[in-house]
Amino acid sequence: DTAVSQTPKYLVTQMGNDKSIKCEQNLGHDTMYWYKQDSKKFLKIMFSYNNKELIINETVPNRFSPKSPDKAHLNLHINSLELGDSAVYFCASSQQWEDSRVVNEQFFGPGTRLTVL
Amino acid sequence: GQNIDQPTEMTATEGAIVQINCTYQTSGFNGLFWYQQHAGEAPTFLSYNVLDGLEEKGRFSSFLSRSKGYSYLLLKELQMKDSASYLCAVVRYSGAGSYQLTFGKGTKLSVIP
Repeated sequence: DTAVSQTPKYLVTQMGNDKSIKCEQNLGHDTMYWYKQDSKKFLKIMFSYNNKELIINETVPNRFSPKSPDKAHLNLHINSLELGDSAVYFCASSQQWEDSRVVNEQFFGPGTRLTVL
Repeated sequence: GQNIDQPTEMTATEGAIVQINCTYQTSGFNGLFWYQQHAGEAPTFLSYNVLDGLEEKGRFSSFLSRSKGYSYLLLKELQMKDSASYLCAVVRYSGAGSYQLTFGKGTKLSVIP
């Protein structure tokens, strides 16, 4: 059983296009995330989202928008793709609270390698 | 703001012990994670420390000193499969019941025969 899944695994597209990456988790977690990992392998948070709040990293361009149709899904939509958007994008999920103790271990999806030409 | 520092690369010999250090500066500290990431794969959870002291889990141990803003990951009896990047990540309370995980740039460990 796949805990956190992403599609597609590879995405190659032209500059200026609009694309979406889908993410689903079957762990019953209440919070989902999107990360970007660049060529230097630096993993950087883009968004975190639960049913209460969307937290956006202020450095993320507004061309990127998360969309959550339900608690188990958090899709990433990217408008007007640029060369610098090429990276691996990871979705993750976690349960924020359990028995009054913070349990924030994040489970990561397999990643989507985006290449913008 | 936050600042997380860890060495960029380390090399160690199979069977040996290696310690990977992480120092951090953050407000609203709520714990520190270590993740392992093999090339081309997703990060996977190794350990979580929220109180000072050592947490041991098999060949891996993680230590935290909150007053010093310091943690280390200790890997014993190194195996070739331990060659990977090790990511230090700090949990910060970001308000309204939400928590953020900020990653360091990772330490690439190479285990040699």
